[in-house]
This record gives sequence, C-alpha cells and structure tokens, in this order.
Amino acid sequence: DTGVSQNPRHKITKRGQNVTFRCDPISEHNRLYWYRQTLGQGPEFLTYFQNEAQLEKSRLLSDRFSAERPKGSFSTLEIQRTEQGDSAMYLCASSPGLAGLGTQETQYFGPGTRLLVL
Amino acid sequence: AQTVTQSQPEMSVQEAETVTLSCTYDTSENNYYLFWYKQPPSRQMILVIRQEAYKQQNATENRFSVNFQKAAKSFSLKISDSQLGDTAMYFCAFMKRDSGGSNYKLTFGKGTLLTVNP
Repeated sequence: DTGVSQNPRHKITKRGQNVTFRCDPISEHNRLYWYRQTLGQGPEFLTYFQNEAQLEKSRLLSDRFSAERPKGSFSTLEIQRTEQGDSAMYLCASSPGLAGLGTQETQYFGPGTRLLVL
Repeated sequence: AQTVTQSQPEMSVQEAETVTLSCTYDTSENNYYLFWYKQPPSRQMILVIRQEAYKQQNATENRFSVNFQKAAKSFSLKISDSQLGDTAMYFCAFMKRDSGGSNYKLTFGKGTLLTVNP
C-alpha cells in the first residue's frame, strides 16, 4: 500500500494559464475526493467520485474547474484561466467505499499540490 | 449545513504532559462520524482518531482519546504523554452518514496549531 500520491507537489503559474493536477488513490479505493486548503484554514470540499462517476460538486467549484476520473482509478483536476485567488493547496483523498477494505468512512489524504498563481 | 468550530487557534504543551484540544459542531443530523486529523509541518494529513456518533463509548488510540458529548455537540481530543512529534496542526472534522450508509464529504474546522516544547 503506497498511499495516495499527488503530482506535481508544487506548481507556479501565471494568471490566465491552465493547470492540471493528478491524484493516484490507494488501490482498491472506490471513492476519491478533492479538497482545497488556503492558508490558515481547514480543507474545503470540492468534489468526489464513486469509481468514475462524479457524484457531487461544491459550489466552490466554478466553471473554470473540472475534474475527471476516467477509468475509476486516478483523477485529474484542471483549472482553466487561473486567477490569483486560486492559489491554495489542493488535497486529494480516497476511501474504500462500499466494496472496499478496512473502514469505509475513513478518508486517506495525499501530500497535496501547492499552487501559486502570479 | 454542518459547521465545525475549533476555538483555540494555537496551543502549547510541555513534553510528557497532557493537552486537550476543543471542538464543537452544529448539525441537525443524528447519524454521523467525527474525526481528528493531524497535519504536521510536511503538510500530509494523517488520521488520528474517529468516532461514530451512535457509539456512546469514547474512542481511544494509544495516547489519543476523545471526549464525545453528543448532546452538547462537543468532541475534544486529549493527547497524553505529549511528544515532540505531536507538533502539528490538528483539525476536527464532521462527516454525515447518509441513509445509504455510504461515505460523504468531510467538513473541517479551522484547526488548532499545537506546539510541544522540550
């Protein structure tokens, strides 16, 4: 079990550029979550997937944000036309889900991708 | 909507002593889970302890224990025999358990920065 991995760990971009982050969940975990964490705050929910289906999106997820999990394994989060307000840590988490091992309800987090928009 | 409040932005404790971190939450739900997560300076979020709301017995994990008061909507974390490695940001989190018994998003508090001094 290698844990949840995220790439890149750091990303610096200029305002207006597009960025894409990747999350690889723990194998056999059916559920995958994205959160955003700004300085001095707790993580805020963005969206989650059950296998390849995106089941919920937060109103924080504007039209410039899109997330996919095409084969029910890894997920990508894309931000188009980045703004300075998008600067944050983007966290990915996974959980076993209905058919998984261990405790269904516990979410395991990756190290995050820190985004800085100049 | 659920809210989670951590009223102590920062706390400090001497090594080997005991410290209690406070958390209160507001919900109209009856079935839910509560978690404490630890986020060390490296920023990887790690689960410390979890509590099912339907269980009256307080959860314990080695040096970590909780005082769960459902009627008061209080969920404090006690760390005994504090160690230098306990220095981290601690987040209290709430998860609703829906009627299907499946996973749901986490709602986090703003966190408490705990420093363990030698």
